[in-house]
Amino acid sequence: GAVVSQHPSRVICKSGTSVKIECRSLDFQATTMFWYRQFPKQSLMLMATSNEGSKATYEQGVEKDKFLINHASLTLSTLTVTSAHPEDSSFYICSARDSGQGWGNTIYFGEGSWLTVV
Amino acid sequence: AQTVTQSQPEMSVQEAETVTLSCTYDTSESNYYLFWYKQPPSRQMILVIRQEAYKQQNATENRFSVNFQKAAKSFSLKISDSQLGDTAMYFCAFIPNTGNQFYFGTGTSLTVIP
Repeated sequence: GAVVSQHPSRVICKSGTSVKIECRSLDFQATTMFWYRQFPKQSLMLMATSNEGSKATYEQGVEKDKFLINHASLTLSTLTVTSAHPEDSSFYICSARDSGQGWGNTIYFGEGSWLTVV
Repeated sequence: AQTVTQSQPEMSVQEAETVTLSCTYDTSESNYYLFWYKQPPSRQMILVIRQEAYKQQNATENRFSVNFQKAAKSFSLKISDSQLGDTAMYFCAFIPNTGNQFYFGTGTSLTVIP
């Protein structure tokens, strides 16, 4: 089946620094990728929709200058948390849509990334 | 507005028994897809089952089946012969055919008791 790889799976960074999380579609092209944040015992919260070659679409309340998203190729989207603070500590998950297939059965999730800001 | 509601925050079931998780949704779309995802402690999102709204027949995948009631906008998941490995968070999700994103429910934490 289709695979989405997310890296790193765990990262610890110091407050004030930036950290980048990668989301790669390994065996399909993805013009659209999605970034979610998940707090403990809660559902996935969509942060932004990443579109290859264009600007990401951010959900209301998500700071676009803090959570930088780049989707420079059909297989890679990156989320950079800038000037990280302890409250940014969370579980981040990406998903990618297989552009070559019809809608509805072609969205695959990465393994997620734990970010801890100390 | 599109919403997905899971009214059971936590459930438990004895091993080998059957359990049903409920999900309702609200949409004005006529065609859409419904999903159940399992999220074990590893946090990996695992697709359990998928239903296309234009299909009347309920989807089944081995021990997992759904009861899809389109008029009632209900999409429950039945797990038969529950196994310890079924212990996880379960999320109901919805994608409109014309849309571009998942709408997730708040999740049901299922514990299978040995």
